[in-house]
Amino acid sequence: DTAVSQTPKYLVTQMGNDKSIKCEQNLGHDTMYWYKQDSKKFLKIMFSYNNKELIINETVPNRFSPKSPDKAHLNLHINSLELGDSAVYFCASSQDFAAVTDTQYFGPGTRLTVL
Amino acid sequence: TQLLEQSPQFLSIQEGENLTVYCNSSSVFSSLQWYRQEPGEGPVLLVTVVTGGEVKKLKRLTFQFGDARKDSSLHITAAQPGDTGLYLCAGAGYGNKLVFGAGTILRVKS
Repeated sequence: DTAVSQTPKYLVTQMGNDKSIKCEQNLGHDTMYWYKQDSKKFLKIMFSYNNKELIINETVPNRFSPKSPDKAHLNLHINSLELGDSAVYFCASSQDFAAVTDTQYFGPGTRLTVL
Repeated sequence: TQLLEQSPQFLSIQEGENLTVYCNSSSVFSSLQWYRQEPGEGPVLLVTVVTGGEVKKLKRLTFQFGDARKDSSLHITAAQPGDTGLYLCAGAGYGNKLVFGAGTILRVKS
């Protein structure tokens, strides 16, 4: 059973296009996250949602718009893609963001390449 | 802005050697987590340390949280090729927001 799944695994697209990445978790968790990992493997949080409500919104261009239709899903839509958006995007989920020992479970990642 | 400095960035050692990875910050975190990431996969949590001075052991891996909860270390005893991977430390703040270090790429040669 896949706990946190993302689609697609790979995404290659042209500059200026709009694309979406989907994330689903079957762990019954309340909180979901999006992270970006750059070419130097640096991992940085972008957004988090708890029960479909946005709780963390880092300094991310407004071309990135997360959407949480329900607790189990958090999708990421990116408008007007730029070369600098090329990275691996990870979705994660956790049970309770307020607990200091809360564990985040990461998906397998989506490698986005913008040409 | 909370920052975590992780060192070394790269480590290439022979099987059987010991190693230590460090994670330092000027900020206090509610917890400090260590992850391991394999190529093509997402990070997987190894351990969470919460209390200042806490030491946790996971087989050959020993994790320590500094007394002031600003720094942590990961020590691997008798490294094996299977330990090869990317090790990430992360400090947790409000909303379980994780601030990650830059990562340590470990290669253990047989």
